[in-house]
Amino acid sequence: DAKTTQPPSMDCAEGRAANLPCNHSTISGNEYVYWYRQIHSQGPQYIIHGLKNNETNEMASLIITEDRKSSTLILPHATLRDTAVYYCIVRPSNNAGNMLTFGGGTRLMVKP
Amino acid sequence: SAVISQKPSRDICQRGTSLTIQCQVDSQVTMMFWYRQQPGQSLTLIATANQGSEATYESGFVIDKFPISRPNLTFSTLTVSNMSPEDSSIYLCSVLSTGIRAKNIQYFGAGTRLSVL
Repeated sequence: DAKTTQPPSMDCAEGRAANLPCNHSTISGNEYVYWYRQIHSQGPQYIIHGLKNNETNEMASLIITEDRKSSTLILPHATLRDTAVYYCIVRPSNNAGNMLTFGGGTRLMVKP
Repeated sequence: SAVISQKPSRDICQRGTSLTIQCQVDSQVTMMFWYRQQPGQSLTLIATANQGSEATYESGFVIDKFPISRPNLTFSTLTVSNMSPEDSSIYLCSVLSTGIRAKNIQYFGAGTRLSVL
């Protein structure tokens, strides 16, 4: 499995965009990039995923570089409730047998 | 998305005893997983719960310590046996929603917070 590298922690001001980077330099051609977050005392929550095109949903945007070796999760207007640990994970989406393997993630602190 | 219910949400147990955690899903799913999250750590996969056959355990986890049942496509249990304080963790049930519309997204329960005295 491709491994990911994320900064251990980041701060963001409330109302500003939070840009969370992730390096996955050994990603394979069939591996997707998934983002989850875990708010304190809750189970991980799915945010977004993509293969090579940029993706956007009601929660966030995902920007994947053209060489697919890195990506950025963007929370356009961070709120205090976005304070959480954010996990970037790569895995093949077309194989149901591949469960998620979690790394250390980035602890995002949104400050007033 | 799949709705997952875990019971109990938390428990405090004495060493040497066992606790069974239940996971109920609101729809039939092929893949169910159990994870452990030790204090301050990330999630670690314990095993894949297979319906109709024995669970598949990850390295470092054994059936005698963490027996798993999967009687049907919507339910699974994880037992933490002969507990010690080192077993104090959050235990999470997870399911994989497959198919084109489901996009192979993995969903998680809220977890069971276990403290062993």
